[in-house]
Amino acid sequence: AQSVTQLDSHVSVSEGTPVLLRCNYSSSYSPSLFWYVQHPNKGLQLLLKYTSAATLVKGINGFEAEFKKSETSFHLTKPSAHMSDAAEYFCVVSVETGANNLFFGTGTRLTVIP
Amino acid sequence: DTGVSQDPRHKITKRGQNVTFRCDPISEHNRLYWYRQTLGQGPEFLTYFQNEAQLEKSRLLSDRFSAERPKGSFSTLEIQRTEQGDSAMYLCASSLWSSGGPVTQYFGPGTRLLVL
Repeated sequence: AQSVTQLDSHVSVSEGTPVLLRCNYSSSYSPSLFWYVQHPNKGLQLLLKYTSAATLVKGINGFEAEFKKSETSFHLTKPSAHMSDAAEYFCVVSVETGANNLFFGTGTRLTVIP
Repeated sequence: DTGVSQDPRHKITKRGQNVTFRCDPISEHNRLYWYRQTLGQGPEFLTYFQNEAQLEKSRLLSDRFSAERPKGSFSTLEIQRTEQGDSAMYLCASSLWSSGGPVTQYFGPGTRLLVL
């Protein structure tokens, strides 16, 4: 079975300060992991993905995530938050067999304070 | 690349009515997925197609839900005899799948359904 746990339902940071959104995964197989972002009234957009290559993955808009197998974690970080980063973020796992459908976490809402 | 489109964007219906949603994937994509997202939750997988074949449908929520992709291009998701609990955002995604493993799924904007 596969699942993800997003440890914080809501994170609030000040503009210009670092962002950390935490995610732990569970998978019986070698997982592929993703972070998607959802802005209000917009579709889900892929931020970055890990597919067993480099453990440190760089994504769009300055975000990056590190795959740590020993900790079963895939935390999302950004050095300096921008107002436009305010959105809902989803950690997602997919397995390399069958449908490759995605299993989403419950989401973390990021608020950026001016 | 015009992206994944969904129609309608919003649908309000009365309990007991049937509704149908359409998804147009990115043109060269062979896989198409449907997900449901309820308030405060992440999207939940429902079903998927590879070309015109529906390869997984056990996750459809009940026998009131059905999906088709008759020509391997656009897809429809139908809900019969809607219930208030069906109120949610219905998302479509597409991808170009190969035997090399998981690839990126591209999502449409969703159809928001409200059942009164």
